Amino acid sequence: QVQLVESGGGAVQPGGSLRLSCAASGFTFSTYGMHWVRQAPGKGLEWVAFTHYDGNNNYYSDSVKGRFSISRDNSKNTLYLQLNSLRAEDTAVYYCAKEPYSGYYLYYFDNWGQGTLVTVSS
Amino acid sequence: SFDLTQPRSVSVALGQTARVPCGGTNIVIRTVHWYQQKPGQAPVLVIYRDVNRPSGIPERFSGSNSENTATLTISRAQAGDEADYYCQVWDSDTVFFGGGTKLTVL
Repeated sequence: QVQLVESGGGAVQPGGSLRLSCAASGFTFSTYGMHWVRQAPGKGLEWVAFTHYDGNNNYYSDSVKGRFSISRDNSKNTLYLQLNSLRAEDTAVYYCAKEPYSGYYLYYFDNWGQGTLVTVSS
Repeated sequence: SFDLTQPRSVSVALGQTARVPCGGTNIVIRTVHWYQQKPGQAPVLVIYRDVNRPSGIPERFSGSNSENTATLTISRAQAGDEADYYCQVWDSDTVFFGGGTKLTVL
């Protein structure tokens, strides 16, 4: 079955950087679009970024554009999120999530990982 | 930007029908998806493309979309349905979530 396992979270100071990973299994990773979604403590869901199946087209929320970068290594079945210039308001659980269909995009999420916590604090 | 408005909380008596609204201007032309999230867990898709249930989701869960409000309906509510529920749409290469509704089963 589909498994998405995030890692790389932790505590970082404002202005710092972090790279999150999402290891995928149970499906043909290289043919699916993938997303990152985050959730600040006690708050709702916020979409962060999306990448096409081949990594050649990426989209970002306005709140992270220019600071975060989504990428993927299809040879390793792994999705990444590079977080730069971190702010306190970036503190959240970061989830990776999978598009439902191979080869095209409907912009919703049929499987989610369990998330990794990023804490930005001095 | 596309604003999705959800009530912060909805209560339902055990065994009765709960309705969770998601408001948005002319939302009927959008495709709406719904997620359930229990404390400490990742979200789970419960309704996709307005009215469809993924495999494994009980028939008690249904969705509708009309004019300016999409609605998640949970029939014969059970204690295990207590959770936060989020609606979601896509517009102009951006995904938008509603603020979430906490469902309490009394």
